[in-house]
Amino acid sequence: QLVLTQSPSASASLGASVKLTCTLSSGHSSYAIAWHQQQPEKGPRYLMKLNSDGSHSKGDGIPDRFSGSSSGAERYLTISSLQSEDEADYYCQTWGTGLWVFGGGTKLTVL
Amino acid sequence: EVQLVESGGGLVQPGRSLRLSCAASGFTFDDYAMHWVRQAPGKGLEWVSGISWNSGSTGYADSVKGRFTISRDNAKNSLYLQMNSLRAEDTALYYCAKDIDFDYWGQGTLVTVSS
Repeated sequence: QLVLTQSPSASASLGASVKLTCTLSSGHSSYAIAWHQQQPEKGPRYLMKLNSDGSHSKGDGIPDRFSGSSSGAERYLTISSLQSEDEADYYCQTWGTGLWVFGGGTKLTVL
Repeated sequence: EVQLVESGGGLVQPGRSLRLSCAASGFTFDDYAMHWVRQAPGKGLEWVSGISWNSGSTGYADSVKGRFTISRDNAKNSLYLQMNSLRAEDTALYYCAKDIDFDYWGQGTLVTVSS
């Protein structure tokens, strides 16, 4: 069964970096994912597609502060030089045959 | 500029029907699969349904299978979601999203199912 697992919450200080993790279920470690950001009271925004080899392609206008990487079944989103507007929910998402799946989301607090 | 604009949401009684629309612009609509995603109040994102570029393939979440039908009209650059036998648990903000990795999202349309 295709499942994505995310930690419910994370926090980091203004100006620091944070690395969010999304874990693919067993047998799905080769899958690409996408990362999406949802700021409070706003709709989701596409950040990037992240492949199993760590290569990624970002969406329009996404700052260089956002980057992705991969290791085995884990997919990471790193945000550097944290700004207040980065406080948001972050969702990973993937797809199989006729099926699309979201992780539960990570709520990022910028201290 | 890619734009996705949903419409058709509203307040509906349990058991009734509603049809959502998504008007697309700024890209070649019939080159891409399209999806509906929903978000219940205070909850995470849930994929609802998807349709291939030529309507040849559709998919549904188990929670809506048999009740919802996705369709598209490439001549009108539009995506639709026919929702029948609505339940209270279908109450959510419904978004349309483009392509396999949802690289563009609409602003959403709110569906409230309540008596």
